Amino acid sequence: GAGVSQTPSNKVTEKGKYVELRCDPISGHTALYWYRQSLGQGPEFLIYFQGTGAADDSGLPNDRFFAVRPEGSVSTLKIQRTERGDSAVYLCASGYPGVANVLTFGAGSRLTVL
Amino acid sequence: ILNVEQSPQSLHVQEGDSTNFTCSFPSSNFYALHWYRWETAKSPEALFVMTLNGDEKKKGRISATLNTKEGYSYLYIKGSQPEDSATYLCAFIDYGQNFVFGPGTRLSVLP
Repeated sequence: GAGVSQTPSNKVTEKGKYVELRCDPISGHTALYWYRQSLGQGPEFLIYFQGTGAADDSGLPNDRFFAVRPEGSVSTLKIQRTERGDSAVYLCASGYPGVANVLTFGAGSRLTVL
Repeated sequence: ILNVEQSPQSLHVQEGDSTNFTCSFPSSNFYALHWYRWETAKSPEALFVMTLNGDEKKKGRISATLNTKEGYSYLYIKGSQPEDSATYLCAFIDYGQNFVFGPGTRLSVLP
């Protein structure tokens, strides 16, 4: 596609439920990042994929969070047993590795945990 | 843990005023610095890519400078317009291709 697509754009769920957020990056972009933005803060790094593998998952807050990118394109962020503190906008960005290659962001998935 | 700071946190200026804000980052393991503009209800968009100490970049009324030795970058807006209202994010990139974003500076330009 022309841009980075994220679905759903809005998700309201109850505490304790399981949630999946999907990111469809720009075709050919090998690097894919997930960020989370809570109210009043800048984007917080979660995980970085280079191809199919997670090059850096140090930003995942705990083991309730997991992300996959099985074929090196679409990625899914999975959150188990959601908590109210997980409420945030989850941003996905893709790009090519390299100093001049800026990230292209999706519109984000707003997650609200009641 | 890499720490990227931005100041001020928010800024209100009158249309026509010039303004500037700061991004501070680690001076070691520097690879690149990016500036992004994030308008409400839109995705962040890249403004500048900066790599060399002393770099100066300009796009219209917006310009940026880079000092990698002391670990800071300034973003300047000349003659602010209401359409400049947005959150301005800087991102520090290290040699591992890790992007670390600052918390952003929220700019409001009043007509």
